[in-house]
Amino acid sequence: EIMLTQSPATLSLSPGERATLSCRASQTVGRYLAWYQQRPGQAPRLLIYDTSFRATGIPARFSGSGSGTDFSLTISSLEPEDFAVYYCQYRTNRPPFVSFGGGTKVDIK
Amino acid sequence: EVQLVESGGDLVQPGGSLRLSCVASGFKFSSYEMNWVRQAPGKGLEWISYIGYAGDTTYYADSVRGRFTISRDNAKNSLYLQMNSLRAEDTALYYCARDQGSRPYEIDYCDYWGQGTLVTVSS
Repeated sequence: EIMLTQSPATLSLSPGERATLSCRASQTVGRYLAWYQQRPGQAPRLLIYDTSFRATGIPARFSGSGSGTDFSLTISSLEPEDFAVYYCQYRTNRPPFVSFGGGTKVDIK
Repeated sequence: EVQLVESGGDLVQPGGSLRLSCVASGFKFSSYEMNWVRQAPGKGLEWISYIGYAGDTTYYADSVRGRFTISRDNAKNSLYLQMNSLRAEDTALYYCARDQGSRPYEIDYCDYWGQGTLVTVSS
């Protein structure tokens, strides 16, 4: 069973700064990795899928990269609405399995 | 506009049962696979179940297999989760989430989510 470890647990930054979040898999996941944003009191929102593809309506300041076991989500310049918790997710169908990372909270410094 | 509205969450005793519902609108429900994902209070996300277009393909997380049953009624644009033998560790906000659908008959990412319905298991 593949486990995802996100780091850091909390990232304290100021608006306008660059954020880089990490997700490490216990085994290779190819490029089958997604990122979600969850603002306080809201449902998660898909940001990035298959490592680097932005979901519909996601601003260009969000980008994803990586392969194998190491992945990252970068927010090029933090907007006030970007302060939230971010989760990475792996999915496979052989056999069917979905795993989420523990999350990284991006808060205002 | 895609909308998913969950209902049915409640306070239930350990060992009890509950049925969650999710009504979909704004898209052709029968053309999308669906998922249930839960989030314990103050914790992260946990995928628990998937269902294919017609309801004939279902998958479950180990933590709920044998106790929970996912189903759908495409005529009513509705997704369901029957939860039996509930435990304290099932306490969570339960989200209905649309499968992105780029890989038919396979679990994909979740591109739209409802706001969730809260299930509390406690005596």
